[in-house]
This record gives sequence, structure tokens and C-alpha cells, in this order.
Amino acid sequence: DGGITQSPKYLFRKEGQNVTLSCEQNLNHDAMYWYRQDPGQGLRLIYYSQIVNDFQKGDIAEGYSVSREKKESFPLTVTSAQKNPTAFYLCASSIVTGYEQYFGPGTRLTVT
Amino acid sequence: QKEVEQNSGPLSVPEGAIASLNCTYSDRVSQSFFWYRQYSGKSPELIMSIYSNGDKEDGRFTAQLNKASQYVSLLIRDSQPSDSATYLCAVNMLNTDKLIFGTGTRLQVFP
Repeated sequence: DGGITQSPKYLFRKEGQNVTLSCEQNLNHDAMYWYRQDPGQGLRLIYYSQIVNDFQKGDIAEGYSVSREKKESFPLTVTSAQKNPTAFYLCASSIVTGYEQYFGPGTRLTVT
Repeated sequence: QKEVEQNSGPLSVPEGAIASLNCTYSDRVSQSFFWYRQYSGKSPELIMSIYSNGDKEDGRFTAQLNKASQYVSLLIRDSQPSDSATYLCAVNMLNTDKLIFGTGTRLQVFP
């Protein structure tokens, strides 16, 4: 079955710790994205990658970092510099940028 | 003005009725338009894509695009309680790599 997996589903961290969220896809898509969704809010783009070894900042990149060493994988690190990290994090992919995006199940991060 | 606007709702319709969800966008040269359904606590699921003016039907769903008036709508026929969710409109604007999402319309279908 083709799809996007994110792990873990729930993640709890103490303030001041970095945490890395996993995103893997086997759809053979070139483009991958990270979004953040807060309660009652829309999706906000954190980072995106059009191709391996390349990525661009989205609208809210401060306090986050990414890497794209493999086509299938696009991990997101939430650093201690992110002021309000508690949110629902969604990874998505598309065949190329600008086309329909498919989402993973999401990771709900809680930082206390 | 927001780039993609949706009425937050909730839009309440009785079971069996037609639900009509609307989305307006600001960039006249937008090219691709998408509707996603998001159940509470879950991730968005793509339900319709539309690229040219007119109607596109898929089962109980019809997407309607009017580029001159800069709106795209989603009709859900024979609405079911299982259609109760938030519906997100997304637009790809010319020469950008990104989809711009609206904040969503919450639909409630009551028995």
C-alpha cells in the first residue's frame, strides 16, 4: 500500500528539548511538506522540499529545521528556539510542487 | 484580504440535503484548486481537484470553478451524518510552489 507515515502519533517533551518528527512516503513523490495546525486554525507551512538535498522555508520556519537526504524521508526537528511548539504537525507529499498534496496521519506534539 | 477565504461555519444541513461550501481566492491567475475533508483530530483527506472552469462531479461531490469571479465551491448531494467534518479549500497560484489553504468550513449534517 502506498502512503505517508508519520511517527510517533503522540509525542510529549519538556521545554528546552529538541525533538524530531519522522515522515516517510513510498509514493515516489518528489515534493514533501511540513505544516503546523493549531486548534481552530488553518494549515501553516513550515518547510517544503522540491527534490532531494533541497528545501525552502515556508511561512513559519523559525525554530524548525529539516533535512532531505533521501527521496522517501523528510524529518522535521522542532528546536528549543520554537516559542510555541505544542501543535498538530502534518507531513504531506505531492508528485511535484503545486499539485495535489497527500497527507500523513499527523503527529500531535505537546511540550510542557 | 486573505488569499483564500472560507466561511468558518458551522453549516448545518439535514440528512439527505445538498450542502454547499464556498471558497473565494484573491489571485486572479490561480491555476489549481483542491477540496480536502478533515475529520476532528485527523489529517486532511483530498476529495476533489479542479483545474478548469465549470463543474466536476465525483460520486456525491461536485466541485464548481468560476475563475472570472474567483470562487470555487463544493456541493455534497444526499448529505450524510458521516459527511460532518471541516472542509478545507486549497489553491495553487501561478508560479508558486505552495498550496494556500483556507481555514475551513465546519459542516454538520443532522439526522
